[in-house]
Amino acid sequence: DTGVSQDPRHKITKRGQNVTFRCDPISEHNRLYWYRQTLGQGPEFLTYFQNEAQLEKSRLLSDRFSAERPKGSFSTLEIQRTEQGDSAMYLCASSLAFLLAGGNYEQYFGPGTRLTVT
Amino acid sequence: KNEVEQSPQNLTAQEGEFITINCSYSVGISALHWLQQHPGGGIVSLFMLSSGKKKHGRLIATINIQEKHSSLHITASHPRDSAVYICAVSTGLGGGADGLTFGKGTHLIIQP
Repeated sequence: DTGVSQDPRHKITKRGQNVTFRCDPISEHNRLYWYRQTLGQGPEFLTYFQNEAQLEKSRLLSDRFSAERPKGSFSTLEIQRTEQGDSAMYLCASSLAFLLAGGNYEQYFGPGTRLTVT
Repeated sequence: KNEVEQSPQNLTAQEGEFITINCSYSVGISALHWLQQHPGGGIVSLFMLSSGKKKHGRLIATINIQEKHSSLHITASHPRDSAVYICAVSTGLGGGADGLTFGKGTHLIIQP
């Protein structure tokens, strides 16, 4: 178990550019979550997947944000036409969740990707 | 929308003191999480609970569902406990496996 990993750890981009972040969850975890955290605030939920299905995306901040988990393993979060207000820490977490059979629903967080938009 | 309020926002204490951090929320939940965040961003899950009380080492978490309130206690506090402690709740049907709503966190400093 190598934990949740995120890449890159830091990203500096110019306003208007597109950025893509990657998250690799714990291998046996079927749920994957994306959160955003701005300075001095708690994280805010963006979206999550069960396997390859995106179960909630209404909390994505705008249509510039999109996420995929094509094979139910790693996930990508893309921000198009970045704005300075997008500067934040983007956190990924994973969990093992089985509604009927029970399971450990604790969420395990990655180290985050810090985005700076100049 | 669930609102999650934590108190205090900042807490400075001396080593050895008993620490209490409080969390209240506005609507029914399926689970409540206590998380620890160190400088640099790493978040570690401490507890997930939906009723009663859990204990792990010097950490104790309690929840009162009727009062919509939870507390995190640290006994015999130590400087290494210095971190931001965040309360988060899940309101989905997934038994705690849905996206979380977070409080703003409590910044704890334990002085030697």
